[in-house]
Amino acid sequence: GENVEQHPSTLSVQEGDSAVIKCTYSDSASNYFPWYKQELGKGPQLIIDIRSNVGEKKDQRIAVTLNKTAKHFSLHITETQPEDSAVYFCAVDAGGTSYGKLTFGQGTILTVHP
Amino acid sequence: DGGITQSPKYLFRKEGQNVTLSCEQNLNHDAMYWYRQDPGQGLRLIYYSQIVNDFQKGDIAEGYSVSREKKESFPLTVTSAQKNPTAFYLCASSTPLTIEQFFGPGTRLTVL
Repeated sequence: GENVEQHPSTLSVQEGDSAVIKCTYSDSASNYFPWYKQELGKGPQLIIDIRSNVGEKKDQRIAVTLNKTAKHFSLHITETQPEDSAVYFCAVDAGGTSYGKLTFGQGTILTVHP
Repeated sequence: DGGITQSPKYLFRKEGQNVTLSCEQNLNHDAMYWYRQDPGQGLRLIYYSQIVNDFQKGDIAEGYSVSREKKESFPLTVTSAQKNPTAFYLCASSTPLTIEQFFGPGTRLTVL
């Protein structure tokens, strides 16, 4: 099955700095790569996603880049703010007959210090 | 408001008892999913259903059961066969067209 590795497990930055989280995956047939933000005690919220026919996608301070050859994708947050502090998860779809099934990374705890 | 509801938010049960967690969605999504989250870990898929009256095992289905009798409902039963049931349980739904998954607020189950 799909194997997703996410790094780093914790990330601490100063307000205004950039933060980068990287995920690698194993199944070259995967086509959908979402990123979720989870605040304490709540369900994950989709913040951005990218599909295999696109190399980069940006939404205000958040961007995702995808390298299908190397099988990795990254989340970039610029001008970080204290409210960006949360746990971030990457995920990868299974594709094929398991359409819609996602495998998640282990999560990154992001702390933004004022 | 459209969304996914899970109830209750906190649930306590004695060891050896079965317990059913509720998940309802009014987003008209065809697919629904159950995940388990343990402290400091990612989400692991328990069961998923892509259509009414059909469901498939995920990566950690042992000790769990589900039903999908209605499009908007996907209840999860944690049976006494589940060795470590204490966890945070998350329900999600999606449409085949976009495959974006939307999550409910979760149920924290504690087995005493």
